Amino acid sequence: GAGVSQSPSNKVTEKGKDVELRCDPISGHTALYWYRQSLGQGLEFLIYFQGNSAPDKSGLPSDRFSAERTGGSVSTLTIQRTQQEDSAVYLCASSLSGGTGELFFGEGSRLTVL
Amino acid sequence: GQQLNQSPQSMFIQEGEDVSMNCTSSSIFNTWLWYKQDPGEGPVLLIALYKAGELTSNGRLTAQFGITRKDSFLNISASIPSDVGIYFCAGRLTGANSKLTFGKGITLSVRP
Repeated sequence: GAGVSQSPSNKVTEKGKDVELRCDPISGHTALYWYRQSLGQGLEFLIYFQGNSAPDKSGLPSDRFSAERTGGSVSTLTIQRTQQEDSAVYLCASSLSGGTGELFFGEGSRLTVL
Repeated sequence: GQQLNQSPQSMFIQEGEDVSMNCTSSSIFNTWLWYKQDPGEGPVLLIALYKAGELTSNGRLTAQFGITRKDSFLNISASIPSDVGIYFCAGRLTGANSKLTFGKGITLSVRP
């Protein structure tokens, strides 16, 4: 499809395990964001990639969280040694570089840490 | 950092009523966006505003970019049950590397 694709859509893991969440942005979009949304809460900014610039990691909650973006396209969000409070929906969004700022979101990856 | 304030956290209205949502910021933004999130899905863009004072409509939705560039509102007229969802405002400074900042969202419930 032409939209932002995220996988897996659902992930259940045990406390202490590592997880990887993947995001395929819209083709040609050079800006990519990761957000976290806990149950009934707003969008918590995690990390922002813009082209070849150094990513804005100011929203990552701890050093257990990291993200990379390979080849300026696909991004992977990694959570190491997961904790129960990491349970949330992780949303990825992309936009055109230098564009009007309109973000297009994926449907999210729901993470449950038991 | 920039913060966007949306309140109240929840709103309850009767089908057919109009509703207005406000978003304020301590910083000046050059772009204001309104998103709606349905349960189990990602947010979807409703209206984008790029100029102070701009008033834009999209069907039953109307949004305005405040003159001070520190606020925006969204109006929904003649609400229907499918208007239920979370409404987020978002603001962006100019510059290709400027990230979008979101408010905490308002959950709208519509009673039939």
